[in-house]
Amino acid sequence: EIMLTQSPGTLSLSPGERATLSCRASQTVHGQTINSYYLAWYQQRPGQAPRLLIYGTSIRATGVPDRFSGSGSGADFTLTISRLEPEDFVVYFCQQYDNSPPIYTFGQGTKLEIK
Amino acid sequence: QVQLQESGPRLVKPSGTLSLTCVVSGGSISSKNWWSWVRQPPGKGLEWIGEIYHSGSTNYNPSLKSRVTISVDRSKNQFSLKMNSVTAADTADYYCTRVITYYDISAADIGGYYMDVWGKGTTVTVSS
Repeated sequence: EIMLTQSPGTLSLSPGERATLSCRASQTVHGQTINSYYLAWYQQRPGQAPRLLIYGTSIRATGVPDRFSGSGSGADFTLTISRLEPEDFVVYFCQQYDNSPPIYTFGQGTKLEIK
Repeated sequence: QVQLQESGPRLVKPSGTLSLTCVVSGGSISSKNWWSWVRQPPGKGLEWIGEIYHSGSTNYNPSLKSRVTISVDRSKNQFSLKMNSVTAADTADYYCTRVITYYDISAADIGGYYMDVWGKGTTVTVSS
């Protein structure tokens, strides 16, 4: 089973700064060769359901501002927020899918807080 | 625009059965999507419970498989979750989601499965 580890657990930054969130898989995603397709990022505001931000490692979901970008491959993936807005200071989860057997795994989350 | 709405008892007794329903509006449950359940214990992360296709095919989280059943009712455009033998550890926010398949044209392959629509969630407490 693949485990996803997000770092840091909490990230303290100021509005306007750049945020870099990491998600590391315990083994190569999709099990064998480098394959970046199976990772997504979600944003969760307090009291709300998660919202899909990025899928396929780097594709922004509908309506997601272009200050959000995803990158990475194999075991290491990154969510970058280029210029933090006040509403970005919430929690972010990464998620991967493995098809043998079918299972979705989430990282434990990174909380972005105002410094 | 597809929307999902969870419903069901908010309080379940230990050793009892948790039952939730998710109604799909603004679209058909018979579309080419899987439909899943995810939960989140208070102050913790997300855990995938399982998923169903409109044909009735299911996949479950191995850690919960022995206690979980997901079913679909196409006539009512809804799907349901049953979890038996619940304990306090099953206290959580429960979300239903739509799962999309991303097809990567450049790779001529499926590029993963992602949850693009979420219900607002419902809090279920297991307590006597």
